[in-house]
Amino acid sequence: DTGVSQDPRHKITKRGQNVTFRCDPISEHNRLYWYRQTLGQGPEFLTYFQNEAQLEKSRLLSNRFSAERPKGSFSTLEIQRTEQGDSAMYLCASSLTDSLSGNTIYFGEGSWLTVV
Amino acid sequence: AQSVSQHNHHVILSEAASLELGCNYSYGGTVNLFWYVQYPGQHLQLLLKYFSGDPLVKGIKGFEAEFIKSKFSFNLRKPSVQWSDTAEYFCAVFAGRRALTFGSGTRLQVQP
Repeated sequence: DTGVSQDPRHKITKRGQNVTFRCDPISEHNRLYWYRQTLGQGPEFLTYFQNEAQLEKSRLLSNRFSAERPKGSFSTLEIQRTEQGDSAMYLCASSLTDSLSGNTIYFGEGSWLTVV
Repeated sequence: AQSVSQHNHHVILSEAASLELGCNYSYGGTVNLFWYVQYPGQHLQLLLKYFSGDPLVKGIKGFEAEFIKSKFSFNLRKPSVQWSDTAEYFCAVFAGRRALTFGSGTRLQVQP
């Protein structure tokens, strides 16, 4: 159990619908990351937060994607007007930036999205 | 931009064979290097990491990796693999930007 929780674990949606994923990071972790992973590929960075501030967004994050972390704790990733190409595993991860733990990032189990 | 290359996409070994998985990165400055493992149906787990100091780092389950700065490499090794090591292995680098960049992964299949 990594301590990073994601919900739902699986989602099947019709093309054009909106979907939202939730991530609860490890308690007191100040950084939260979203990645996307497709079969046979490594995780691709989407965006990350330090506390409630979204500090970096990948070019992969089209304007149909939006992520929030309103209180610096849990985060949501919303995909609007889903397309079949959005089918992937969406991974959430968190880390605590201090001199002891460095930049070690802990991952959740992911949320599988299938767009039909 | 930083990138990570894993040369072996699929490796098949017999139990007790030795393992070495290649990983090269492109970034000229200070790096933090990681190997993650993903067992079938499970989440990514940290195997080992290099931040500084001894370039030979030891991780869980008998794995080790050596950071060779001159070769921009961080190869993963294990002297004797077990069937339970069957998994996908990802090399990752933390450099410059504030998030990990992953390689495309190596699928290891260990035959009993």
